[in-house]
Amino acid sequence: DSGVTQTPKHLITATGQRVTLRCSPRSGDLSVYWYQQSLDQGLQFLIQYYNGEERAKGNILERFSAQQFPDLHSELNLSSLELGDSALYFCASSGKDNYEQYFGPGTRLTVT
Amino acid sequence: AQTVTQSQPEMSVQEAETVTLSCTYDTSENNYYLFWYKQPPSRQMILVIRQEAYKQQNATENRFSVNFQKAAKSFSLKISDSQLGDTAMYFCACAGFQKLVFGTGTRLLVSP
Repeated sequence: DSGVTQTPKHLITATGQRVTLRCSPRSGDLSVYWYQQSLDQGLQFLIQYYNGEERAKGNILERFSAQQFPDLHSELNLSSLELGDSALYFCASSGKDNYEQYFGPGTRLTVT
Repeated sequence: AQTVTQSQPEMSVQEAETVTLSCTYDTSENNYYLFWYKQPPSRQMILVIRQEAYKQQNATENRFSVNFQKAAKSFSLKISDSQLGDTAMYFCACAGFQKLVFGTGTRLLVSP
C-alpha cells in the first residue's frame, strides 16, 4: 500500500459526460501528479500540482482540468468525454525530495 | 528534457532462469534518479528498485538488481530466479526534479 488513495476505482459513463476523479496523497506529500494510461500503453504525464499551485503540464487536453485543494487532495475533471478517453488514470504523490513518486491504485474510466 | 527508451517490447523467460531488461535514458539534469516499476495484471504500479545517479554502486533488492552505466546512460534490470509472479509490464523511469518520465515498457512473461 503506497498510502495514495484514489476514488472511484471504476467509472463507466457515456460520451459527452463529465466526471471527477479524486486523489488523496500520502500524508505530508505536497506534490500530486496525474497520469493517463490507455490500454497497453505507457504512462502519459498530464499535470502536476505542488501545495495547491499548478507546477507542470504535460499532454493534458483542454477538456481536462485539475486542482489541488488546501487539504492537498486533488481532483481531475474530465469533460465532453470521448471514447478515446477510456483509460486508467493514476495519481501519484511525492515528498520533499520530489524524485520518487508513489502511485495510487488508479481509476479505470470506461466511456461508452 | 528527459527521454527513456526501452527497446524490448516483449520478453520471455522460464521459471528459475535469469532475464535482463534493457533501458537507456537521456537527461540534462546533474542530479537524477532511475527507477524500475512493475505493473502486474492488476495494473497497480509497484516500485521494484531505485538508483541514485550519484551512487556508483548498483542497487540490489533481493532477486532484482540493476546494471547502471552512467557514461553510457544505460540502466538495465536483472531478475534472477524468475518466478511466475514476475509476469508483468516493466517500466523504466528517469526522475529529474519534480519530473518523472517513463519508457514504453517491456512485457515479461515467465513460463513454467
